[in-house]
Amino acid sequence: GAVVSQHPSRVICKSGTSVKIECRSLDFQATTMFWYRQFPKQSLMLMATSNEGSKATYEQGVEKDKFLINHASLTLSTLTVTSAHPEDSSFYICSARGGLPLSYEQYFGPGTRLTVT
Amino acid sequence: AQKVTQAQTEISVVEKEDVTLDCVYETRDTTYYLFWYKQPPSGELVFLIRRNSFDEQNEISGRYSWNFQKSTSSFNFTITASQVVDSAVYFCALSLGGGSNYKLTFGKGTLLTVNP
Repeated sequence: GAVVSQHPSRVICKSGTSVKIECRSLDFQATTMFWYRQFPKQSLMLMATSNEGSKATYEQGVEKDKFLINHASLTLSTLTVTSAHPEDSSFYICSARGGLPLSYEQYFGPGTRLTVT
Repeated sequence: AQKVTQAQTEISVVEKEDVTLDCVYETRDTTYYLFWYKQPPSGELVFLIRRNSFDEQNEISGRYSWNFQKSTSSFNFTITASQVVDSAVYFCALSLGGGSNYKLTFGKGTLLTVNP
């Protein structure tokens, strides 16, 4: 149980275009979803936290207009990178947290590698 | 604010050696959770262990063991008789209670290379 999927696993896009990444909890309802970004050989940096039906809470320094997060249902959150530029190239990982009794657990998706050319 | 420090950036060992990965954390909260994750070259995070702040019992799982010491704010991870398949980046992480949505704060990770 507790499987989180991400789609696509890899995406290459041209500079100036927008890219949408989906994160789904397959066998549980995700109270909260998190989006992380990881540059090569670096740690995971939390970008934003989203609760179903409410606006995402962005971490300091993350541009909310550039990284649009929609948590439309208890099983789906999307991250849209708008007007992508080469510096947005990174590994994006989502995670999902369910309710009780294991509400402190986060289950991670396999990640999406974005390359902007 | 909380912080997780993994002072070892890279460790290289020869197969069958034991290796310990260090993790030191900082938080003012009394309720918190500590985690270790493995990230192989594929990128997917693999959950290894979770401890809560009220449970200082050390844990052993096969070749893996964890030493949690609140007195030194450390949560170290030891791999016994390392194998090539253990080569990966290992992250230590900390989360607080429900008020913070259980956000994870990650250390910078330790790249472990096990050579045959």
